[in-house]
Amino acid sequence: GAVVSQHPSRVICKSGTSVKIECRSLDFQATTMFWYRQFPKQSLMLMATSNEGSKATYEQGVEKDKFLINHASLTLSTLTVTSAHPEDSSFYICSARDRTSEKLFFGSGTQLSVL
Amino acid sequence: DAKTTQPPSMDCAEGRAANLPCNHSTISGNEYVYWYRQIHSQGPQYIIHGLKNNETNEMASLIITEDRKSSTLILPHATLRDTAVYYCIVRVAAVGHDMRFGAGTRLTVKP
Repeated sequence: GAVVSQHPSRVICKSGTSVKIECRSLDFQATTMFWYRQFPKQSLMLMATSNEGSKATYEQGVEKDKFLINHASLTLSTLTVTSAHPEDSSFYICSARDRTSEKLFFGSGTQLSVL
Repeated sequence: DAKTTQPPSMDCAEGRAANLPCNHSTISGNEYVYWYRQIHSQGPQYIIHGLKNNETNEMASLIITEDRKSSTLILPHATLRDTAVYYCIVRVAAVGHDMRFGAGTRLTVKP
């Protein structure tokens, strides 16, 4: 089946630094990708919708200047957490929509820990 | 999208069928019922979806009531690896293509 690769799977960084998370669709093209955040014992919360070649659409309450999203190609979207703080520590998950089948596939997630 | 209500947790004996209910009483005629599950520290995994007819695949069966106000996901022979949080999501398939997750049901399969 289709695979969405998310990298890194786990990252630890110092407070104030920036972290980039990559989401790649390995065997299909994705015009749309979605980014989620999940705190411990909570559900996934949609952060933003990323469309190839255009600006991302952010959900209410999500700071677009803090969570930079780039979707420069049909197989890659990146989420950059800028000036990370401990409260940004979370599990970040991406999903990608196959432009042909329109099915959604999820990545395996990135655990971000900010010290 | 219609709101869904699921029990927060359920237990099931290994080898038995697991029946996970979902209420979606405000569902619209063009909204589908999707089921995903999330095993600890992994991304969600698609299970099955349907509009009004019952559906079955290699993972599970989806039973949707005639009035479409509720549905049940059935795992016919639960194994320990089926322990996960199961999410029932209702959405219009052609709009937005995003999945918005509720609290889900934490299913624990016990030996």
